[in-house]
Amino acid sequence: DAKTTQPTSMDCAEGRAANLPCNHSTISGNEYVYWYRQIHSQGPQYIIHGLKNNETNEMASLIITEDRKSSTLILPHATLRDTAVYYCIVRRPISSGSARQLTFGSGTQLTVLP
Amino acid sequence: GAGVSQSPSNKVTEKGKDVELRCDPISGHTALYWYRQRLGQGLEFLIYFQGNSAPDKSGLPSDRFSAERTGESVSTLTIQRTQQEDSAVYLCASSLASSAETQYFGPGTRLLVL
Repeated sequence: DAKTTQPTSMDCAEGRAANLPCNHSTISGNEYVYWYRQIHSQGPQYIIHGLKNNETNEMASLIITEDRKSSTLILPHATLRDTAVYYCIVRRPISSGSARQLTFGSGTQLTVLP
Repeated sequence: GAGVSQSPSNKVTEKGKDVELRCDPISGHTALYWYRQRLGQGLEFLIYFQGNSAPDKSGLPSDRFSAERTGESVSTLTIQRTQQEDSAVYLCASSLASSAETQYFGPGTRLLVL
C-alpha cells in the first residue's frame, strides 16, 4: 500500500470547516484513499473513503485531486467533539492480495478551538 | 444499529494472571480483527477471523496469546501469564465480509498489568 504524508497537527475554530490534507504521491490506480479518526481514549472510527471521485457522507467530504496524488478531508462545520487524530491511509483492494489488517501512520492531530 | 462492543472496558491485573477480553462484533459481520495499541503508538495487528476460523494469526506476539470465535459472533482474546509489557488498549474491529474493506472498531479494553 502506498505511503501517506500528513501534517502533524492542525487547529480549527469551532463552526468553521476543517480541511485536512493528505499526500499520497505514489498511489497506484487501484488503491483507495481511506480516512479514519481516533478520539482520545476511544477506538478508531471510519469516516469516508474514495477511489477517484469526490465523496460525501453525513460526516465529511473527501476531495481527491485529478492526479490522485493528494486528497483533502473536509469537516464542514467542526465541533469540539471533532478533536481527534485523523488518519489517511491508502489501500489496495483485499481482492488484489492486499493485507486485510489496517496500518495507521502518525496522522494529524486536529484540535477544534472554542 | 449496535456497533462493536467490548468488555471489560478496563482491566487491571497482576503480573502472571490470565485475562480474557471479549468482543461482540456488529451483527452479520463475518470478519473480525484484534489489534493492540500501546500508549501513543499505532495499531498492532494481532489476529483475524473469517467466520470461526483464523486464517491469519501472524500478529500474536507469543504463545501466551490466543483467541477464539464461536457462532460467527463473539470472540475472546486470552492472555495467559500476563506481563507488564502486555499493558495496552486491545481493540476489536469487524467488517461485513473478509473482502469488505471498511472495518468498524469497538471502544477497546484498557489492560493494565501491575
